[in-house]
Amino acid sequence: AQSVTQPDIHITVSEGASLELRCNYSYGATPYLFWYVQSPGQGLQLLLKYFSGDTLVQGIKGFEAEFKRSQSSFNLRKPSVHWSDAAEYFCALDSGNTPLVFGKGTRLSVIA
Amino acid sequence: SQTIHQWPATLVQPVGSPLSLECTVEGTSNPNLYWYRQAAGRGLQLLFYSVGIGQISSEVPQNLSASRPQDRQFILSSKKLLLSDSGFYLCAWRGRYSGNTIYFGEGSWLTVV
Repeated sequence: AQSVTQPDIHITVSEGASLELRCNYSYGATPYLFWYVQSPGQGLQLLLKYFSGDTLVQGIKGFEAEFKRSQSSFNLRKPSVHWSDAAEYFCALDSGNTPLVFGKGTRLSVIA
Repeated sequence: SQTIHQWPATLVQPVGSPLSLECTVEGTSNPNLYWYRQAAGRGLQLLFYSVGIGQISSEVPQNLSASRPQDRQFILSSKKLLLSDSGFYLCAWRGRYSGNTIYFGEGSWLTVV
């Protein structure tokens, strides 16, 4: 069965520091992968998605993610975090024949 | 462009009262539609999804139900709310093809008292 694991429930980083949020998936073939961000009390917004081709995907707000088939991972990165990046981040997998499978999310806190 | 509207944004309901949350999508046709719930501090839980008018798949058995009376309308209902129904409810849509992005509404906060 398909699954998505986000190992970190909560991460705190200093403003200006680099960020990496981890996402591991379980699926027998190459999936479509997504990262979403959710600010408190709001819906989810798409940051980026991977379908095929270049394994390094650029998204909005300066985020990028790298698909690594050998590690079944799709980690989200940002070189310099801003206070406005504090939010909940969700990784999701699309196997094509079922609704998206979401990870449980990682909450990002940003400190001065 | 496509938009998704969800209402009401916030509601407080007593235990045992009915519920109706409505979601409509504009600018697309034959979308797949979804209802998710987020309880406090927890991830997204898929409640229902629909691939067409009158076609509802339930992911979690509970006292909630969903209906799709029109192509771009998706309604979440309950006849009698429980305290455990409190949470943040999100409607979402996506196109029919694999890999399509799923788009979310702004959510509805439900507090059952």
